[in-house]
Amino acid sequence: ETGVTQTPRHLVMGMTNKKSLKCEQHLGHNAMYWYKQSAKKPLELMFVYSLEERVENNSVPSRFSPECPNSSHLFLHLHTLQPEDSALYLCASSQGWRGNTGELFFGEGSRLTVL
Amino acid sequence: AQSVAQPEDQVNVAEGNPLTVKCTYSVSGNPYLFWYVQYPNRGLQFLLKYITGDNLVKGSYGFEAEFNKSQTSFHLKKPSALVSDSALYFCAAVRGGYSSASKIIFGSGTRLSIRP
Repeated sequence: ETGVTQTPRHLVMGMTNKKSLKCEQHLGHNAMYWYKQSAKKPLELMFVYSLEERVENNSVPSRFSPECPNSSHLFLHLHTLQPEDSALYLCASSQGWRGNTGELFFGEGSRLTVL
Repeated sequence: AQSVAQPEDQVNVAEGNPLTVKCTYSVSGNPYLFWYVQYPNRGLQFLLKYITGDNLVKGSYGFEAEFNKSQTSFHLKKPSALVSDSALYFCAAVRGGYSSASKIIFGSGTRLSIRP
């Protein structure tokens, strides 16, 4: 079983749909992250949760809504997205947030296409 | 502004030849530096990191990276490339002394293609 599991792997949705991405980590980590990966752009950090509390929100539009019910699960709720939101969404986890030397463990990503 | 630059979008190498993937950084203080690899349709995997000490860091799959403080570089190297090394490689940095995984800055990635 991989350390960080993301579902679904692929998602196609219309601009008026509501959908959610799910991430689960089996590593005993206490910090979780959502990143957006678009072609030929650096990875964009979207949200950080530490001990289930959101500690960073990098100016992400409100049509993206994260949820972290416990330290093992992270969701990204999607609503009225735009075509430019089409990207690979990566979940990651780490042991600790502050004081961590930066090693992140990534899931395989959810490829989102917005029509 | 702090940044990580990977000047080459693509690097092409013949199998068996040495490879280098370049990375330069602009991060205040003594940075922590990382390389991650992304295979097709997969997430990023950690390869290696430099925190302090020996400037040559060894990592997974035979890769190594050399930290050069004067040139603010952290190039990824491998003595003999394999076709299976073909992937997207990301360099990343975070300011040391204020280590936080959420402050990691990623480069835009370099696609490495190894031809048989």
